[in-house]
Amino acid sequence: KQEVTQIPAALSVPEGENLVLNCSFTDSAIYNLQWFRQDPGKGLTSLLLIQSSQREQTSGRLNASLDKSSGRSTLYIAASQPGDSATYLCAVYGGATNKLIFGTGTLLAVQP
Amino acid sequence: EAGVAQSPRYKIIEKRQSVAFWCNPISGHATLYWYQQILGQGPKLLIQFQNNGVVDDSQLPKDRFSAERLKGVDSTLKIQPAKLEDSAVYLCASSLGVGQGRYNEQFFGPGTRLTVL
Repeated sequence: KQEVTQIPAALSVPEGENLVLNCSFTDSAIYNLQWFRQDPGKGLTSLLLIQSSQREQTSGRLNASLDKSSGRSTLYIAASQPGDSATYLCAVYGGATNKLIFGTGTLLAVQP
Repeated sequence: EAGVAQSPRYKIIEKRQSVAFWCNPISGHATLYWYQQILGQGPKLLIQFQNNGVVDDSQLPKDRFSAERLKGVDSTLKIQPAKLEDSAVYLCASSLGVGQGRYNEQFFGPGTRLTVL
């Protein structure tokens, strides 16, 4: 059974810092990994989608890496801003079931 | 292009009452998903439709939850009777299709926050 874990559960940083969020998964037979952002009272916004054949994806200040063999992904946020404050979720698709399996999320607070 | 629409956005009910949620997917999307997100957890798939047929409902508590997708477009999710532990955000998502071994990107609606007292 695929399990997805995110560390840390919560993170508070001052504005301008670079930060890394971690995601690990138990079944490496995935088709892709996706990072989402969730704002309070809102749905999920897709940030980056990494196919299993890729090692990283970049969008603006965000960079996500994938090491399928070790079952790990990181989301790097450069020069954090208060507007980055949200919950960040990673999810994997594939493995034993063709479902999107989510981690529990990291709650990020960027202090001005 | 309009996104996934859900209503209501918030609902507060007493335990043992019934409640229904509505979802309108992105136009042309054949696959529709309902997820349950309990506070502090990631979303968990409850049911997946392709057109108007059920693909996966293995995690749907069928003694109290039901869902339908008449005509393969809009969908409703019902809880009857509700329990305290049903308090959660219910997210609807849609994708163009579903292919074995291939991921069709899912687009999520804003969710319905249910509080059961």
